[in-house]
Amino acid sequence: AQSVTQLGSHVSVSEGALVLLRCNYSSSVPPYLFWYVQYPNQGLQLLLKYTSAATLVKGINGFEAEFKKSETSFHLTKPSAHMSDAAEYFCAVSVMGGYNKLIFGAGTRLAVHP
Amino acid sequence: DTAVSQTPKYLVTQMGNDKSIKCEQNLGHDTMYWYKQDSKKFLKIMFSYNNKELIINETVPNRFSPKSPDKAHLNLHINSLELGDSAVYFCASSQSRLAGGSSRTGELFFGEGSRLTVL
Repeated sequence: AQSVTQLGSHVSVSEGALVLLRCNYSSSVPPYLFWYVQYPNQGLQLLLKYTSAATLVKGINGFEAEFKKSETSFHLTKPSAHMSDAAEYFCAVSVMGGYNKLIFGAGTRLAVHP
Repeated sequence: DTAVSQTPKYLVTQMGNDKSIKCEQNLGHDTMYWYKQDSKKFLKIMFSYNNKELIINETVPNRFSPKSPDKAHLNLHINSLELGDSAVYFCASSQSRLAGGSSRTGELFFGEGSRLTVL
C-alpha cells in the first residue's frame, strides 16, 4: 500500500530564506508524486508533479522538488521565501494504475516572517 | 470559468438533518472524487466515480451516499448528520489513465471546498 509522510507539521522561515518541506513516500510500485498548496479557505492547487520523467521537477511560484528513489523522498524547496508563500502544503502519492487515487500526507503549515 | 465548482460553500445545520453538496466539473474529465478534510487538515478520500460508476468507496458510513447523474456531476448526500461529520468536503476531478488523453499523469483538480458545520 502507498503512503506519504511529511516531516514537520509546522515550518517557520524568514522572508528571503530557503524553504525546505520534507516528504517521504512508501510505494511497492513506481509512484507518481505531487505537491499541492492550500491557501486559507481555498481549495488545493497543484504546485508540481513527478511522473517518472526528470527527477528534478520545477513547479509554479519558484518551487521545485527532487525525486530520490534511494531515499524514497520528494522534498519541496524554494530558494527564497515570500510572505505570500504562507500556506498549507501537501505531498501526495498516486498509484500507477488506471484510476487516479491520491493519498495525501498530513500537511505542513509554512509560516513566513518578515 | 470555474473548472470544479461546489455548492454550497458553507453549510450549517443541526444534528440529525439531511443535507446535500453538489459538484460540477467542466474539464471534460471522466473521474470525480469526494475528499474529506478534518479539523487537523488531514485529507482522506471518500468516494470516486468513473463515468458514473463507483470505483472507490473508502469505508464511509452508509449515511453518506454519492450520486453521479453524468460524468460531469458528482453529488454527496448525507443522512442523519452527526457532530463528527463537521469538516470541509472537497470535490475533485481527473482524467483516468485508462481513458488516455493529455492529462494521464494522475493529477486531481480540486474545487474550493464546502465547509459543513453540524451543531
